Amino acid sequence: DIVMTQTPLSSPVTLGQPASISCRSSQSLVRSDGDTYLSWFHQRPGQPPRLLIDSISNRFSGVPDRFSGSGAGTDFTLKISRVEAEDVGIYYCMQASQFPYTFGQGTKLEIK
Amino acid sequence: EVQLVESGGGLILPGESLRLSCAVSGLSVATNFMSWVRQAPGKGLEWVATINSAYNSWYADSMKGRFTISRDNSRNTLYLQMNNLRAEDTAVYFCARLTDVWGKGTTVTVSS
Repeated sequence: DIVMTQTPLSSPVTLGQPASISCRSSQSLVRSDGDTYLSWFHQRPGQPPRLLIDSISNRFSGVPDRFSGSGAGTDFTLKISRVEAEDVGIYYCMQASQFPYTFGQGTKLEIK
Repeated sequence: EVQLVESGGGLILPGESLRLSCAVSGLSVATNFMSWVRQAPGKGLEWVATINSAYNSWYADSMKGRFTISRDNSRNTLYLQMNNLRAEDTAVYFCARLTDVWGKGTTVTVSS
């Protein structure tokens, strides 16, 4: 199984400042067809996860452009250019390149 | 509008069985990869199972042999049959078209 490791697990950030979360996979997420299925989600307490980024860097419909994804192979990053109050919560990466699908442990973003 | 509504959760004794349902509107369960994801109290997201249009299915190792994912195309409904439930199966169970559409979840509590 592919293990997804996120760092940091907790990220206190000042409003208006940038934030960055790393996600590393235990093996390459590049499939034989050349695609890489790495997604990022945001979850608030009591709510389902909300898709932010698909296929490493494709921002989902309605997601603010302060969110961006990058990376390749085994190393991926989610960046928030300027953190807003509504961005607090837990962020998860997930790989769907290979079954079993696996999630990172989650990174808690909080405001300083 | 696409909507996924889970039902069937509740309090159940260890060793018993439960069937979760996910009523889907706005997309067809017959033509999409449909999945179940769970989240234990205070924990991260865990992929459970996926079924595709050809009725192929995949399961997390810890659920193989105990859980069965299925669908009823005429009712446009996804199911998760869970047998021999354990305390560690206690979680909120989300139905999803990974990665972009999620239900709100239904809570399963396994306890004596």
